[in-house]
Amino acid sequence: DTGVSQDPRHKITKRGQNVTFRCDPISEHNRLYWYRQTLGQGPEFLTYFQNEAQLEKSRLLSDRFSAERPKGSFSTLEIQRTEQGDSAMYLCASRTGFEQFFGPGTRLTVL
Amino acid sequence: DQQVKQNSPSLSVQEGRISILNCDYTNSMFDYFLWYKKYPAEGPTFLISISSIKDKNEDGRFTVFLNKSAKHLSLHIVPSQPGDSAVYFCAASGIISGTYKYIFGTGTRLKVLA
Repeated sequence: DTGVSQDPRHKITKRGQNVTFRCDPISEHNRLYWYRQTLGQGPEFLTYFQNEAQLEKSRLLSDRFSAERPKGSFSTLEIQRTEQGDSAMYLCASRTGFEQFFGPGTRLTVL
Repeated sequence: DQQVKQNSPSLSVQEGRISILNCDYTNSMFDYFLWYKKYPAEGPTFLISISSIKDKNEDGRFTVFLNKSAKHLSLHIVPSQPGDSAVYFCAASGIISGTYKYIFGTGTRLKVLA
């Protein structure tokens, strides 16, 4: 099964530390999205890549957040100087048509 | 401003009966609608979708209905099974502020009772 994969699945960090998450999309999918999900909410859009180009960043994505997709393959999401409010599930999704497929997510806990 | 709403946070249904999950949206520019199922500590799993040019799409036990004039879609699961117990999210997609995006509702927790 070559679905969307994310690494790590869980991350616990102390406030102020930097963290980086990785997403490997389905291989033929050129469009990649990052979302954040908190309890009782649906996934909220963070950023979107078409191939290696980052086409949009949400206002939710402060300057502490940065995302890359070098060579249009895997993507990374980095959070600098983490805050307790960053605790959430970070989801990656990819698509080629209209249907979007999600990875298992990275659960971030900031202590 | 929540563009996609799921007004029922939870729903309980007896095994074998029909489950109906509802979703309302406000933006008439949405052109594709999707339903996802989510188990705890996992990412959402795609279930079924419908284009805005259709009013019904069926896949096995799952049927999605779209009423564009009412800006309403629903997911029917029949017969419901205990393994269907999960949180269900509807999503609407379209070009928003120049890029193609997906907007999600807040989810409905379905519990199928054996």
